[in-house]
Amino acid sequence: KNQVEQSPQSLIILEGKNCTLQCNYTVSPFSNLRWYKQDTGRGPVSLTIMTFSENTKSNGRYTATLDADTKQSSLHITASQLSDSASYICVVTLPYKLSFGAGTTVTVRA
Amino acid sequence: NAGVTQTPKFQVLKTGQSMTLQCAQDMNHEYMSWYRQDPGMGLRLIHYSVGAGITDQGEVPNGYNVSRSTTEDFPLRLLSAAPSQTSVYFCASSYSTDYEQYFGPGTRLTVT
Repeated sequence: KNQVEQSPQSLIILEGKNCTLQCNYTVSPFSNLRWYKQDTGRGPVSLTIMTFSENTKSNGRYTATLDADTKQSSLHITASQLSDSASYICVVTLPYKLSFGAGTTVTVRA
Repeated sequence: NAGVTQTPKFQVLKTGQSMTLQCAQDMNHEYMSWYRQDPGMGLRLIHYSVGAGITDQGEVPNGYNVSRSTTEDFPLRLLSAAPSQTSVYFCASSYSTDYEQYFGPGTRLTVT
């Protein structure tokens, strides 16, 4: 069973709208939790990195939150743009390796 | 900086053939790793290295070999390709796992 579960698997939103992606993890302890954006045919690119003591981290229109008590994280996309169409991956950092979720595919429609 | 480079971008192999996927980085990163990405699954760690001369297995190492003779290069060798190894392969590097990982553009491998 994957130690990092993401939901939903995919979603479609209209340009300009907001959306929130969820990540539940079972692994611990961990040093940080990351969100990556992966465009089709490209490698993942880091959006945010949070230590277990941080509750929120922003990167432009992307805001990640972390609740270490419930082992949940979310990524909120504000005022979506067509360029936000991508897969968003939640990653937990363990000693010497990273544990990846399967990703949420976001499609932004005009 | 070129960042993380991977070659080739695409490759088709026949079952039983061997090949090497190349990965290089110019950021003087100690930590390098190889992942495979399959539809509906998260990236899975194949092998990783914490520095030149040091390598270790990840989650799915069977059928793959690595070596790390220099800080810059981390090639992945497929010993005898199987259709189950059809996947997209990503190489990544960072100062350590606690720091931002930089991914290469990927190699799409098909084994027939």
